[in-house]
Amino acid sequence: QQKVQQSPESLIVPEGGMASLNCTFSDRNSQYFWWYRQHSGEGPKALMSIFSNGDKKEGRFTAHLNKASLYVSLHIKDSQPSDSALYFCAVMNTGGADRLTFGKGTQLIIQP
Amino acid sequence: EAAVTQSPRNKVTVTGGNVTLSCRQTNSHNYMYWYRQDTGHGLRLIHYSYGAGNLQIGDVPDGYKATRTTQEDFFLLLELASPSQTSLYFCASSGLGGQFAETLYFGSGTRLTVL
Repeated sequence: QQKVQQSPESLIVPEGGMASLNCTFSDRNSQYFWWYRQHSGEGPKALMSIFSNGDKKEGRFTAHLNKASLYVSLHIKDSQPSDSALYFCAVMNTGGADRLTFGKGTQLIIQP
Repeated sequence: EAAVTQSPRNKVTVTGGNVTLSCRQTNSHNYMYWYRQDTGHGLRLIHYSYGAGNLQIGDVPDGYKATRTTQEDFFLLLELASPSQTSLYFCASSGLGGQFAETLYFGSGTRLTVL
């Protein structure tokens, strides 16, 4: 069964700094990866997806994927207080969307 | 953006009670899901469905039933609620699902407390 582990559990970053979130997965058949973000009192919302090895940049956010190393990461540049949230890594196997597995999350706090 | 509406927002019941959580999506999505979120466990899939009348078992189904009455509506039923089911419940939907890699759209959640 797919295991998705995120680190660190919590992270404090000064405003304007770089936040780096890590995620490892266990199934080598994993194909598709997402980062979801959840602000307090809300449901999770997809932040970005990455399907190919390498980097994908969207504004201040960069996702990195290395399938061979079973590793995906998210980097947030110039962190803002509004980036404070719970971040989930989600991994989908080739079997389809019904097998999306979430990590336990990283709580990110941006200190003004 | 996809709209997923859950009700009620908060619910308190007693052990052994009967609870129904409701979810409606208005985007003609095929797939709908029920997750529970607990500190230290992240999001765990309870049940899901790929259309009216269909039900698939997720990863933590024990103690839960679900029913998809229409394309739009998906219900989660706890017929004999237990304190271990105290949790934050999320409904989600996605367009095609299956082998298509698609984003999930979540509702705002229902916080259930079982006393």
